[in-house]
Amino acid sequence: EVQLVQSGAEVKKPGESLKISCKGSGYSFTSYWIGWVRQMPGKGLEWMGIIYPGDSDTRYSPSFQGQVTISADKSISTAYLQWSSLKASDTAMYYCARLQVVPAAIDYWGQGTLVTVSS
Amino acid sequence: DIQMTQSPSSLSASVGDRVTITCQASQDISNYLNWYQQKPGKAPKLLIYDASNLETGVPSRFSGSGSGTDFTFTISSLQPEDIATYYCQQYDNLALTFGGGTKVEIK
Repeated sequence: EVQLVQSGAEVKKPGESLKISCKGSGYSFTSYWIGWVRQMPGKGLEWMGIIYPGDSDTRYSPSFQGQVTISADKSISTAYLQWSSLKASDTAMYYCARLQVVPAAIDYWGQGTLVTVSS
Repeated sequence: DIQMTQSPSSLSASVGDRVTITCQASQDISNYLNWYQQKPGKAPKLLIYDASNLETGVPSRFSGSGSGTDFTFTISSLQPEDIATYYCQQYDNLALTFGGGTKVEIK
């Protein structure tokens, strides 16, 4: 069974750093792109970027380029989303998601990680 | 970036009604258009891929159509369990964009 299991909820202060994780299982982790999606409270889905764990090829949405870092450790089948200095506006639910290329659709999602940034 | 304009942003319909949601792309995306359902507190779920193909296990009352820039998602007979927010999503060379979402409620 394909699963993406994300790390737990985080409460941080502005200016702090954070790295959340997404562990894949039940499939070849290095053969599928993993993306990250932000959902701010009461709002829609926003595509942040994507990584191919097989070779760490990474692409960012222009809106998130320079704001976050996406990485992966294929030895432990885990993808990461990282901030160096959090802002209150980073408060959101973050989902990791597996992207099929054919068809080009997200077929599996993580359960989400709620990040709260507050002083 | 390709922009996706989804409408309406919300709708209220009765059980058994036909519900239609539209999504317009800012440029030609062929049939690279997917539809997702998100229930409160849950991750989204893929319903339709490549504009008109029903994902395995999804009820046949859901359907999609369109190509190029204009796409339609239809629920042929609204059921209480269909209460959710629906999103379109385009795919352009590993850059994805979601529509703004349509919240579907029961009248």
